[in-house]
Amino acid sequence: RKEVEQDPGPFNVPEGATVAFNCTYSNSASQSFFWYRQDCRKEPKLLMSVYSSGNEDGRFTAQLNRASQYISLLIRDSKLSDSATYLCVVNLENTGFQKLVFGTGTRLLVSP
Amino acid sequence: DAGITQSPRYKITETGRQVTLMCHQTWSHSYMFWYRQDLGHGLRLIYYSAAADITDKGEVPDGYVVSRSKTENFPLTLESATRSQTSVYFCASHDGMSTEAFFGQGTRLTVV
Repeated sequence: RKEVEQDPGPFNVPEGATVAFNCTYSNSASQSFFWYRQDCRKEPKLLMSVYSSGNEDGRFTAQLNRASQYISLLIRDSKLSDSATYLCVVNLENTGFQKLVFGTGTRLLVSP
Repeated sequence: DAGITQSPRYKITETGRQVTLMCHQTWSHSYMFWYRQDLGHGLRLIYYSAAADITDKGEVPDGYVVSRSKTENFPLTLESATRSQTSVYFCASHDGMSTEAFFGQGTRLTVV
């Protein structure tokens, strides 16, 4: 089983739609969680961190459910510029070392 | 310039040749990572390093060698390149505290 699993999509949505991505992780000792965005095979960039209490940044809301080992990202009022691949990332701490493990990514296509 | 840079950006090499991909960061981040990205697999961790002279294997280390004699540099060497190592390689770093990782622009390697 992969350490981080995501639905690869693509998710095709019209502008203005609300779309949600899910991610599951297998290691219950995972320390911290993130969503990264990647455009057209460019380098990934941090979109937002994910906290147990949930966090919101404008149109983006991230949630973490530790009991179910589940992370979500909600995008409201989708824009054309939101078209990208969204990567779920888990920071595993093992024997004092941290390593970032990425999901395969979920591709989002927003159309006019 | 501050940041994280990879070189070369593009490389074509022949099967069996040794090739080294360079990664340099100016922030003195303790952690550095090498990933490869292939269609259908997302970003897979090859090796990572927690500090100078401390490295560990990731998910797909076979055929690769790393070293970290200085904090700012983390070269990745393919000892005897194979076609299956054709990929886009990303280097990343983070400070071990905030855990936001910053990525280089990637190296597109083709093995013929």
